[in-house]
Amino acid sequence: QKEVEQNSGPLSVPEGAIASLNCTYSDRGSQSFFWYRQYSGKSPELIMSIYSNGDKEDGRFTAQLNKASQYVSLLIRDSQPSDSATYLCAVIKGTGFQKLVFGTGTRLLVSP
Amino acid sequence: ETGVTQTPRHLVMGMTNKKSLKCEQHLGHNAMYWYKQSAKKPLELMFVYNFKEQTENNSVPSRFSPECPNSSHLFLHLHTLQPEDSALYLCASEGQGYTGELFFGEGSRLTVL
Repeated sequence: QKEVEQNSGPLSVPEGAIASLNCTYSDRGSQSFFWYRQYSGKSPELIMSIYSNGDKEDGRFTAQLNKASQYVSLLIRDSQPSDSATYLCAVIKGTGFQKLVFGTGTRLLVSP
Repeated sequence: ETGVTQTPRHLVMGMTNKKSLKCEQHLGHNAMYWYKQSAKKPLELMFVYNFKEQTENNSVPSRFSPECPNSSHLFLHLHTLQPEDSALYLCASEGQGYTGELFFGEGSRLTVL
């Protein structure tokens, strides 16, 4: 079982729609969760972090966390072509050295 | 200056060459990381330095040798690499305490012939 699992996509949505990106993780003790965005040919950049169950909103982005289901999601409202990128889910594992583990990423394509 | 700078951006080397990748951060952070990014694979953590001390070596082959002379600079020395080592090598820095909030450089694209 992969430590952090994401569907590789691509996820295709029309401009203005809601894009929903999902991630599951295996370490039940994980406490910190992150979404990074990586444009083609560029490096990852942090866009959201979430630490508690529930929703966290930042502009058009909403991160959702359900620790009981070991599930993290990222919703992008009013998707724009400029949102087209690969979205990496990352999790800090539960105990000991707080190692940040990444998923393989989901490629999002927003069509005009 | 950008927050985290990596040089060179592209590197082609033969299996017998010795080369180095350099990373410099201008953010005043205390932790620096080397990650490897290969196609279809998740980012692989290679090394972590915190306050110049190596705190993680993720079972990386000895043909990769890191060096951290101070909290602002990080090197990855490369020797006798294999073609499967071809990848994007990303440096990242982090402020304090392993928060998970990494700032990445643009990466060094390595090709081993």
